[in-house]
Amino acid sequence: EAGVTQFPSHSVIEKGQTVTLRCDPISGHDNLYWYRRVMGKEIKFLLHFVKESKQDESGMPNNRFLAERTGGTYSTLKVQPAELEDSGVYFCASSHPGLWETQYFGPGTRLLVL
Amino acid sequence: RKEVEQDPGPFNVPEGATVAFNCTYSNSASQSFFWYRQDCRKEPKLLMSVYSSGNEDGRFTAQLNRASQYISLLIRDSKLSDSATYLCVVISSGGYNKLIFGAGTRLAVHP
Repeated sequence: EAGVTQFPSHSVIEKGQTVTLRCDPISGHDNLYWYRRVMGKEIKFLLHFVKESKQDESGMPNNRFLAERTGGTYSTLKVQPAELEDSGVYFCASSHPGLWETQYFGPGTRLLVL
Repeated sequence: RKEVEQDPGPFNVPEGATVAFNCTYSNSASQSFFWYRQDCRKEPKLLMSVYSSGNEDGRFTAQLNRASQYISLLIRDSKLSDSATYLCVVISSGGYNKLIFGAGTRLAVHP
């Protein structure tokens, strides 16, 4: 079974530019989550999709971040315009509808905003 | 105050040693507890869930003390491959499966 995949693995952009991160969850996992780790801090929750619906977006830092999951399959997280403090590792995770507590993480996207 | 607090370490131990990590959480309504392992520049991976009755998986034993809001992880007979960062993770009541992470405790096992 393929795991959670994320693209790109790394992204280096300049302040003010736009970046779009993609996450493909494990097939059949209705729950999809985005998390972020900024340097020196703990991993923090951003938001949670159940299929195509946003269940909880309480962790989204501000309106420069937009997450979508059209069709309930893969998800994108767009940062526009990017700021220096957005640098960090963005993880996606997914879980099975019946085993929601067990979240499987993707390898992450390392974002550096210069 | 952070919701989940851990000693950052590092814990430097020789192979074969027993090492224990502790974690405290602030929300008494927290309902689910886990230890995750994260290798350098990799994603977190679930190591084990933690129950009030305690649970054991090979060399790893996890304990939960709800009264003290305290979680522990014991690793016996440490291996070089146990070197990693261990993350204490909590799900709060009504948290919609939102994982709340501690900053992690680094373990380095040396020959």
